[in-house]
Amino acid sequence: QQPVQSPQAVILREGEDAVINCSSSKALYSVHWYRQKHGEAPVFLMILLKGGEQKGHEKISASFNEKKQQSSLYLTASQLSYSGTYFCGTAAGTYKYIFGTGTRLKVLA
Amino acid sequence: NAGVTQTPKFQVLKTGQSMTLQCAQDMNHEYMSWYRQDPGMGLRLIHYSVGAGITDQGEVPNGYNVSRSTTEDFPLRLLSAAPSQTSVYFCASSYSLRGEQFFGPGTRLTVL
Repeated sequence: QQPVQSPQAVILREGEDAVINCSSSKALYSVHWYRQKHGEAPVFLMILLKGGEQKGHEKISASFNEKKQQSSLYLTASQLSYSGTYFCGTAAGTYKYIFGTGTRLKVLA
Repeated sequence: NAGVTQTPKFQVLKTGQSMTLQCAQDMNHEYMSWYRQDPGMGLRLIHYSVGAGITDQGEVPNGYNVSRSTTEDFPLRLLSAAPSQTSVYFCASSYSLRGEQFFGPGTRLTVL
């Protein structure tokens, strides 16, 4: 039931791009993305509410394909500050909220 | 606004002890939840609440109790601590189930 993210981990050099995928076995009506830095709480990045919707936040953007039950997070020209673990999240049922399996991202200088 | 606050930040318990983790928010959010995060793992939902007086179980509720007597507070009670409950506990709140979740700083719990 938990959305599956891929890859599980990725290491980048500063300036490189990355894509993180989130796939669900159940219908997705909205997807959230969060970033968690080591030792800190998760922080909200963006929400996608409609199928096919794309949103952006500086050099981080995301897409949401409702038909394929997938969302992807795009990190462009990565910076050291992008390091952390990225989680997708979604409503599961009427009242429950669940997070994806997580993707650890490390950006090297 | 303080956002979501959690106390204590750190706690060490012995097996069998009980304790309450406190969580409070000042954003008038109806939806509140408790997650646990084990090292290198994701966030697992323990219990959640959609408003004062309404709570329900998440994925891993065994060994934990919650209550919600006010909109602001959502304490998590460990009934009889076990080493398997060693984890980082996060409380979160949001305006609605599909809204942005605001997290507290977490409580790092060790059960010996």
